[in-house]
Amino acid sequence: DMKVTQMPRYLIKRMGENVLLECGQDMSHETMYWYRQDPGLGLQLIYISYDVDSNSEGDIPKGYRVSRKKREHFSLILDSAKTNQTSVYFCASSQVNNQAPLFGEGTRLSVL
Amino acid sequence: KTQVEQSPQSLVVRQGENCVLQCNYSVTPDNHLRWFKQDTGKGLVSLTVLVDQKDKTSNGRYSATLDKDAKHSTLHITATLLDDTATYICVVGDRGSALGRLHFGAGTQLIVIP
Repeated sequence: DMKVTQMPRYLIKRMGENVLLECGQDMSHETMYWYRQDPGLGLQLIYISYDVDSNSEGDIPKGYRVSRKKREHFSLILDSAKTNQTSVYFCASSQVNNQAPLFGEGTRLSVL
Repeated sequence: KTQVEQSPQSLVVRQGENCVLQCNYSVTPDNHLRWFKQDTGKGLVSLTVLVDQKDKTSNGRYSATLDKDAKHSTLHITATLLDDTATYICVVGDRGSALGRLHFGAGTQLIVIP
């Protein structure tokens, strides 16, 4: 069953707390992505990972870091969350050959 | 600067009517253009991809066109259903592999009423 799974689906944190968003995929896709989606804006790329320990910054990496120690798992970490990081975060995965990325259902994060 | 502009921002149609969504972009190079459907509170699901300089695709009640000279795409939905209520997102890819970047529009919110 081809699926990208994000955990948790909803999260409320206080400013300054650390946040861990997790993403898993069962298709052995090489490439994985983290995006954020804000009202009125298109999805913005935070980080892209081309394989284990092969990560690159996207367009808005500041305030985020990622970890990919297994091909099927990609984590997004916010060290000391800020209120402007309140958003919906999407993980996606794809094969290198440009098939449509498969998206998870998102994590809705509120930083108070 | 927004490189993918979608119009209208929102649209209300009655069930059974047809509708057309527009996408204009300035992304260069423009390797391909994909339309996604996003149900409320869900992830994006690919509807169709357009690749050629002047391309047309059809997927059931969804059909799409692309004109790379005009940097313009349309998504047509025929005989809309209540389940078509969603946000439709236009995405332009600047390369033919995952090494490229995807440029997302903000979406058109379609509401289908009985």
